[in-house]
Amino acid sequence: AQSVTQLDSQVPVFEEAPVELRCNYSSSVSVYLFWYVQYPNQGLQLLLKYLSGSTLVKGINGFEAEFNKSQTSFHLRKPSVHISDTAEYFCAVSDTHNFNKFYFGSGTKLNVKP
Amino acid sequence: KAGVTQTPRYLIKTRGQQVTLSCSPISGHRSVSWYQQTPGQGLQFLFEYFSETQRNKGNFPGRFSGRQFSNSRSEMNVSTLELGDSALYLCASRPDRLDNYGYTFGSGTRLTVV
Repeated sequence: AQSVTQLDSQVPVFEEAPVELRCNYSSSVSVYLFWYVQYPNQGLQLLLKYLSGSTLVKGINGFEAEFNKSQTSFHLRKPSVHISDTAEYFCAVSDTHNFNKFYFGSGTKLNVKP
Repeated sequence: KAGVTQTPRYLIKTRGQQVTLSCSPISGHRSVSWYQQTPGQGLQFLFEYFSETQRNKGNFPGRFSGRQFSNSRSEMNVSTLELGDSALYLCASRPDRLDNYGYTFGSGTRLTVV
């Protein structure tokens, strides 16, 4: 089985500053990787995904993530955050052979301050 | 294109009752998954259906069940409700094509058991 660790439960950051949200996974097989964002009282919105190919993945709203197989990481970055980025962010992994089941991390609450 | 629709948005039930939640996937999506989100356990996989067949099941008791209809709409049922079943229940659907792989989530049904 796979597992996902998001070490930072909360990340405070000032507006226009850069941010990195960390995600590490554990798996004995090849994986697909995802980042989702959840705004209050809403479902999950897909930010970006890594399926194969280039390890640097660009997503919506200016976010990007880099897949590092040797470090089993998939950290999410944004060079300049906005107040509207305040939300909870979830990293998820699925097995490339049984890709219909996601394992989610515990989430990171990003709090962007003015 | 309409997203994943979940009804109802909010439910309050009493312990011992049963409840049925509904999910309409994006048109053309045949894979539908259900997740439970709680503050303590985070996002946990319940089950996944494809063409009316359950393909994957998470580690939940038999009180949790689901089904999928020929039009891909899905329902999940929880019988003999317990206080611990209070959660946000999220439904997600995905396209068949792997190159466009990624689940789209609905806004969820928030179930409160009193």
